[in-house]
Amino acid sequence: DTGVSQDPRHKITKRGQNVTFRCDPISEHNRLYWYRQTLGQGPEFLTYFQNEAQLEKSRLLSDRFSAERPKGSFSTLEIQRTEQGDSAMYLCASSLQGREPEQYFGPGTRLTVT
Amino acid sequence: QQQVKQSPQSLIVQKGGISIINCAYENTAFDYFPWYQQFPGKGPALLIAIRPDVSEKKEGRFTISFNKSAKQFSLHIMDSQPGDSATYFCAATHSGGYQKVTFGTGTKLQVIP
Repeated sequence: DTGVSQDPRHKITKRGQNVTFRCDPISEHNRLYWYRQTLGQGPEFLTYFQNEAQLEKSRLLSDRFSAERPKGSFSTLEIQRTEQGDSAMYLCASSLQGREPEQYFGPGTRLTVT
Repeated sequence: QQQVKQSPQSLIVQKGGISIINCAYENTAFDYFPWYQQFPGKGPALLIAIRPDVSEKKEGRFTISFNKSAKQFSLHIMDSQPGDSATYFCAATHSGGYQKVTFGTGTKLQVIP
């Protein structure tokens, strides 16, 4: 399977705990995006990597959120001191620079903060 | 600020009918307009996309109509099938720069037999 993969698919955590999600993009894609989707809404942009460089962050990404893409391949999204408002689906997408701006999404990680 | 407005919020169509979803955008810097299909518990899947220099694009049963002057575009699903039941998102992006996608609020489509 050469699609975008995300792990875990589901995460239940208690308020105040830290969580980390992983995204593996399509292998030749150098651009990687994180989005957050709450129930009944469209995905909202969080952050963007081109290779290993994080080039844009949404104001939605508070200082409790951090994302990395250390070798320009997989990426991690960490949320520290989780709050109930962080409960959402976290989606990763990837694309290839120089092609049509088509982003391919992974299955998402569903986070529930209790 | 919602930059892509989508309607209706939900839609029920009989099998074989035409499903129509409408979107409007505000930012004239947008120059690429994809539609995504999302099933429950899955990530959005790219369905079809269009650039504003084209007024219509058809792929199988799916057609995008685009009105650049009105800043509106729509998705038509011909011969709708129960398997088309999903949530559809219109979206917009700027092909230069970071290409982050701005999504509409979604339309939940139900196709009844």
